[in-house]
Amino acid sequence: GEDVEQSLFLSVREGDSSVINCTYTDSSSTYLYWYKQEPGAGLQLLTYIFSNMDMKQDQRLTVLLNKKDKHLSLRIADTQTGDSAIYFCAVGSSNTGKLIFGQGTTLQVKP
Amino acid sequence: DTEVTQTPKHLVMGMTNKKSLKCEQHMGHRAMYWYKQKAKKPPELMFVYSYEKLSINESVPSRFSPECPNSSLLNLHLHALQPEDSALYLCASSQEGQEPFYGYTFGSGTRLTVV
Repeated sequence: GEDVEQSLFLSVREGDSSVINCTYTDSSSTYLYWYKQEPGAGLQLLTYIFSNMDMKQDQRLTVLLNKKDKHLSLRIADTQTGDSAIYFCAVGSSNTGKLIFGQGTTLQVKP
Repeated sequence: DTEVTQTPKHLVMGMTNKKSLKCEQHMGHRAMYWYKQKAKKPPELMFVYSYEKLSINESVPSRFSPECPNSSLLNLHLHALQPEDSALYLCASSQEGQEPFYGYTFGSGTRLTVV
């Protein structure tokens, strides 16, 4: 089945850029998402990209997709302390109808 | 209304209790989901309802019983739970059969503690 991998922890200084990486195994994955989870809260959909796209930019967020390497990244520009959270990569396939989550990357932003 | 509302936000129950978690959405979504999430882990899919019918049960123990009374409501009935069932229970919804697929909308969850 689908496997989605993320590094577990990233620490950056306020104002720097953060890059969170994700790899997946199923080449038929059609939809790829980034969710943010703050402590004690549910999951907030941050952004998404479809498999026919290479890049998507939304304000401070840039998503890059390398389909050949099955690699997805989320770049947060000018990272703020409010960006501290767990970021989950999630991959969906129109074949299975299921959303598979990575393990989550904890982003720590230091003042 | 673009939210999924879950009640209660916190629940403490004994192992012999019966309780229910509730989830509501008014976005016209026809697919609804229950997920279980342990601390610092990704959500794990439990159940999927599509057009008010159970379409996926991820081999969840029978002490968890889902119910979808109508297209806006999803319940999770709990009975004879174990302490290891303590977790954050998340409800989500999505458009069914929509292409492109814009993902799931999650509620804030119910923090369940079994004592």
